[in-house]
Amino acid sequence: EAGVAQSPRYKIIEKRQSVAFWCNPISGHATLYWYQQILGQGPKLLIQFQNNGVVDDSQLPKDRFSAERLKGVDSTLKIQPAKLEDSAVYLCASSLDTGRTTYNEQFFGPGTRLTVL
Amino acid sequence: GQQVMQIPQYQHVQEGEDFTTYCNSSTTLSNIQWYKQRPGGHPVFLIQLVKSGEVKKQKRLTFQFGEAKKNSSLHITATQTTDVGTYFCAGMNSGGSNYKLTFGKGTLLTVNP
Repeated sequence: EAGVAQSPRYKIIEKRQSVAFWCNPISGHATLYWYQQILGQGPKLLIQFQNNGVVDDSQLPKDRFSAERLKGVDSTLKIQPAKLEDSAVYLCASSLDTGRTTYNEQFFGPGTRLTVL
Repeated sequence: GQQVMQIPQYQHVQEGEDFTTYCNSSTTLSNIQWYKQRPGGHPVFLIQLVKSGEVKKQKRLTFQFGEAKKNSSLHITATQTTDVGTYFCAGMNSGGSNYKLTFGKGTLLTVNP
């Protein structure tokens, strides 16, 4: 079975520029997550989708970050404008369940490493 | 909000030695998951613990969930170089209408051959 796909794998931008990341989850997975992982830290949840609806975006900096999951499959995460502190790996993950049960093994993609100069 | 603390931050061992990482939550958890992230890689699911006091084994790895469902540990017996990586615990919150994981900062394990 194909895993979670993400692109691009690497991105370097200047501060105040915009950037977008794309994620294709495992087929049939209802729940999709975007995490930010700063070097030396654990993944931090930014947003969680159940199908095409948002179920948690409490830690998403909404003044500059946005995400959508049209048609309940692919998702994009956008940063506009980027700041230096946004330099991190952005991980996409998906899980089979709806996010409303206590079991949701998450499958992570390879991530996009963002460097903001 | 929920906080998950993990210690130690780093651990360097000689091959063949044992290794343990500990995880503590500020709140009672509905379950806890463990992930491994190899250098340059992405987190990979290892196991989930749900019941109070639960112990699970995977070959040389032993996972425990505390009686109060607020702490957990991962113990590796006789480490090998293939065990190198960062081990994260991730606590799932208890209660509410949605379940989400809060990751600890992880323990980076290095193994000297």
